[in-house]
Order: sequence, then C-alpha cells, then structure tokens
Amino acid sequence: QSALTQPASVSGSPGQSITISCTGTSSDVGGYNHVFWYQQHPGKAPQLMIYEVSNRPSGVSNRFSGSKSGNTASLTISGLQAEDEADYYCSSYRTGSSWVFGGGTKLTVL
Amino acid sequence: QVQLVESGGDVVQPGVSLRLSCAASGFTFSSYSIHWVRQAPGKGLEWVAVASSDGNTKFYADSVKGRFTISRDNSKNTLYLQMNSLRSEDTAVYYCTRELQFGYFDYWGQGTLVTVSS
Repeated sequence: QSALTQPASVSGSPGQSITISCTGTSSDVGGYNHVFWYQQHPGKAPQLMIYEVSNRPSGVSNRFSGSKSGNTASLTISGLQAEDEADYYCSSYRTGSSWVFGGGTKLTVL
Repeated sequence: QVQLVESGGDVVQPGVSLRLSCAASGFTFSSYSIHWVRQAPGKGLEWVAVASSDGNTKFYADSVKGRFTISRDNSKNTLYLQMNSLRSEDTAVYYCTRELQFGYFDYWGQGTLVTVSS
C-alpha cells in the first residue's frame, strides 16, 4: 500500500500563502471526497485541519482551506503565521476498506 | 473530556509478540469506530487497523495483515492491538484515534512507543 505523494518540504514568509499538494490515484484521492488534512507539531499527536476535501472543523482558522482536482488534493494556508510551522499530512479512504496517509510535508515559516 | 490513553509499548526482540491497549474515557466508547495509526521515528503516519463500534468489523493495512489483530472490549472501554511476529519495521509510536464520522479522526491518544530490535 503506497503512501500518497506530498512534497517533503515547503516554506513561506509570514503573511504569505503556501499550498501543499497530495497526489494519489483514482482508488483513493480521485475516487472519493474522503480526503483529510492533519497538522502535527513535534512530539504531539496529529490534529485535524480539513475534512471531506474542503471543510474546516470548528476552531480551525479560516486561513486553512482545502480543494481537490482529479487525483490531487491541496491544502492552502494563507496569511502564514509562525505557529503554522509543523508537519502536514493528507489522508484518504482507499478502495478496499483501508486508509492511506501522505508522506508528510514539513512547513517552515521563514 | 474525551481521553484516549495508550499503553503497552516496550523494547522487544524481532519475532516476539506484544499487546497494546487504548483506554478511552469521556465518551460513549461503544458508539465509535477506533483506529490504530503508527509513526516510525522521524517518519510519516501510517494507518494500521480499525475496529467498528461493535467490534465485529475489522480492517488492516497490508503491512500488518496476518500478524496484528485489533479487538475491543466495550465493557471496559478499551481497544487492543495484538502484535505477533514483530519486525524491526514495526518500530513506531502507536496512536489510537477515534473516528467521529467516516475518516474524521477527531481525538488522538499521546501514543505508545514500540521498539523492535535485537
């Protein structure tokens, strides 16, 4: 079961916007709207930031947004803040009753 | 408040067995599917297994199928992961996480570390 493909790292300056991509196949990202994004700070458990491609859980800043086109989902963070520096993981349901995560993207706020 | 507390992690040799537990509190445990997700040191997240709310439906990642067994005791509000024939590549922090709705993992435990090394 191969992981979804994410860039290893992205960076941006405070106030800027960045986008993290997550590429899968028609058996996962492309085939379902069950795509999620998690934020993980060092030594902490993951926290859900986006569910069902583009929905924000209560309490998550509206600076976080999600979208999908074909087999690729994207997470955009606008108005970058120092506290956004973390690892970000996408996840998707995969045909056959399994779940798959992306390899993770380290966001550095310059 | 919702809490998930993992335990049972240890340093073990390849080939041995280990059982992890995830004790839940603060919600109706029997109403939710619960998953195990692991993270090798310095690596990304990997989904491991899920047990449905009644424990009758279980699914596994290919990497652990046939070696790991997920189970739950709803009378004890506890989820288990029986891990047999452990390999070095099973070394990871193991998290349990509650599935609020399909794929929506809203609460996570703090994790328990399993190290498989000779």
